[in-house]
Amino acid sequence: KAGVTQTPRYLIKTRGQQVTLSCSPISGHRSVSWYQQTPGQGLQFLFEYFSETQRNKGNFPGRFSGRQFSNSRSEMNVSTLELGDSALYLCASSLTGTPYNEQFFGPGTRLTVL
Amino acid sequence: GESVGLHLPTLSVQEGDNSIINCAYSNSASDYFIWYKQESGKGPQFIIDIRSNMDKRQGQRVTVLLNKTVKHLSLQIAATQPGDSAVYFCAENIEEDTGRRALTFGSGTRLQVQP
Repeated sequence: KAGVTQTPRYLIKTRGQQVTLSCSPISGHRSVSWYQQTPGQGLQFLFEYFSETQRNKGNFPGRFSGRQFSNSRSEMNVSTLELGDSALYLCASSLTGTPYNEQFFGPGTRLTVL
Repeated sequence: GESVGLHLPTLSVQEGDNSIINCAYSNSASDYFIWYKQESGKGPQFIIDIRSNMDKRQGQRVTVLLNKTVKHLSLQIAATQPGDSAVYFCAENIEEDTGRRALTFGSGTRLQVQP
């Protein structure tokens, strides 16, 4: 069974631009969560989508948004990029997203903002 | 591969020794805990989990211990191998006042296995 895939793997943008990252969950998984990983803040929860609806949201500004499609694929968008948005963005999928469901992480998208 | 963290605490062990990685969690209401392993260039990988109604759980070569009194979690790896070299994160799952549930990750510990 194929794992979680994320595209692109690496991205370089400049301040003020916007970016869209994509995540394809494991087949059959309906929950997709997004995390930001930086050396300073570690792994932080961004949001979770289930059946095309945002179910949970972390403490990030409104510049960070996402969506989920009917095939469970998800995208996250960051508008008006800032230098501090440089990070590894990780997506994780699980069957239903309930607390005791194992989350499977993708390899991440490394975003560099110049 | 990508650098997960530049200033992580590091545990260095000899191949074949047992490793113990510790984690202090923040919220006494957390009811579910997970250990993840992250190798360079990869996303975190589930190792083992434990619910708050247990104090010990064993997997293949790994054991997680939970001490709710002092809010402490540990991961024990038996007969550590070079392939165990990675960054290890503990994560706690809690239902907040808003009803929201999410994983909160610790800052991580880098395990280096010397051959």
